[in-house]
Amino acid sequence: DAGVIQSPRHEVTEMGQEVTLRCKPISGHNSLFWYRQTMMRGLELLIYFNNNVPIDDSGMPEDRFSAKMPNASFSTLKIQPSEPRDSAVYFCASRRAGGWSTEAFFGQGTRLTVV
Amino acid sequence: TQLLEQSPQFLSIQEGENLTVYCNSSSVFSSLQWYRQEPGEGPVLLVTVVTGGEVKKLKRLTFQFGDARKDSSLHITAAQPGDTGLYLCAGAGTGNQFYFGTGTSLTVIP
Repeated sequence: DAGVIQSPRHEVTEMGQEVTLRCKPISGHNSLFWYRQTMMRGLELLIYFNNNVPIDDSGMPEDRFSAKMPNASFSTLKIQPSEPRDSAVYFCASRRAGGWSTEAFFGQGTRLTVV
Repeated sequence: TQLLEQSPQFLSIQEGENLTVYCNSSSVFSSLQWYRQEPGEGPVLLVTVVTGGEVKKLKRLTFQFGDARKDSSLHITAAQPGDTGLYLCAGAGTGNQFYFGTGTSLTVIP
């Protein structure tokens, strides 16, 4: 298996532009998580899905952020409009059903820079 | 969100030294995981501890879960440059999600 695949790896955009981050989880995994990592705040959970359904989006910072999972093999995280404070590394992770203690696998992340 | 505080935040040691990293919370967790993250990569799972007082060993790494399941420690014996990285603990939420600690950045100097 290729692991969790995120695209793009790097994104530089101007303030006010729409940004879409993409994630392909590992086949057979039914939970998907979006995290944001910064030096100041560490790894923050933004939203997670079980069986393609958003379960908890309380970590989404503002209405400018939205996430979708139209099917079991694809998820997007969209920021519209983007702001400089959104600059961070965004990670997607997936995990197989079987309880919380099962291993979560992370993608390599998308480094977003908003100028 | 259950807050997980890790200490120290940064640690720089010489090769061959021992070290301990701590993960503390006021919340009780059903289980806790430790991850290591290298630059430019996502975190990778090292271990899961589920029982209060549990001790797990992974080569030179020893993980312990506190009796009250509110804290955990990671001890590395005879650290090597390959141990360099960001060490993260993660505790379960009320659902299927997990929250990460503040992280400990370890540098092992050859």
